[in-house]
Amino acid sequence: GEDVEQSLFLSVREGDSSVINCTYTDSSSTYLYWYKQEPGAGLQLLTYIFSNMDMKQDQRLTVLLNKKDKHLSLRIADTQTGDSAIYFCAESVGGATNKLIFGTGTLLAVQP
Amino acid sequence: GAVVSQHPSRVICKSGTSVKIECRSLDFQATTMFWYRQFPKKSLMLMATSNEGSKATYEQGVEKDKFLINHASLTLSTLTVTSAHPEDSSFYICSATRPWEGSAGYTFGSGTRLTVV
Repeated sequence: GEDVEQSLFLSVREGDSSVINCTYTDSSSTYLYWYKQEPGAGLQLLTYIFSNMDMKQDQRLTVLLNKKDKHLSLRIADTQTGDSAIYFCAESVGGATNKLIFGTGTLLAVQP
Repeated sequence: GAVVSQHPSRVICKSGTSVKIECRSLDFQATTMFWYRQFPKKSLMLMATSNEGSKATYEQGVEKDKFLINHASLTLSTLTVTSAHPEDSSFYICSATRPWEGSAGYTFGSGTRLTVV
C-alpha cells in the first residue's frame, strides 16, 4: 500500500538544526523527495534522493535514507525564520506513471 | 526554465456552477500532468493522472464525472469541477513531469484556491 507519515509539528530556535522525519511503506519507491510549501503557495522542491543512496547533502540540507526501515529524514542546519513552512516528503510510485504520494506534512515553526 | 502556470489562482463560485482550472507548461512539453487536492492543513491527495491525448487515470474514490480532466495538448491540462458544492472547496495543485529529468523532474503550479458558496 501507499502510506507516508510525518510528525505534524516541529518548533526550533533560529540557528538550531531541524530534523523532520518521514516513514513510508512502498518499498518499490525509486525516488524520495522533500518539498516546502509556504502559506497559500505551491510546492517548492528542496531536494530528492535516489533509493540506492543513504545520504545526500546540499548546502544546509542533509537527507538520510534508511531503506530497511523505510525512514527518511531532512536535516536543516542553521535554521532561519525564512525556513518556517510546511515540509512534505513524497515517494514516487507506480513505475512508468511515476505519480507522487505525499506525506502528511510537518509544520516547521522557527522561533527568533 | 520548466515553469508551470496555473490559472486562476483564486476563484469563488456559486453552488451548482462549474469551474475550470488550467495548468500550462510554459517552456516545455508535458505528456503527463498530475492533479492534486489539498484540504486545509492537510497533505496533497492525488486526484488523477492526465496524459496528453488519452483519458485521465483517476485515483480510487475520485468521481470522474465530477472532476473532468482534459489534456488536449502537450502544454495544457484542464480540470473542471462540475456542479460545484461547498465540500469541493479546496486548494487544487497541478504538476507536470519534465521528461528529460526522469523521476526527479516534477514542476508544480502555484495552486488554485476554490471556494464554493
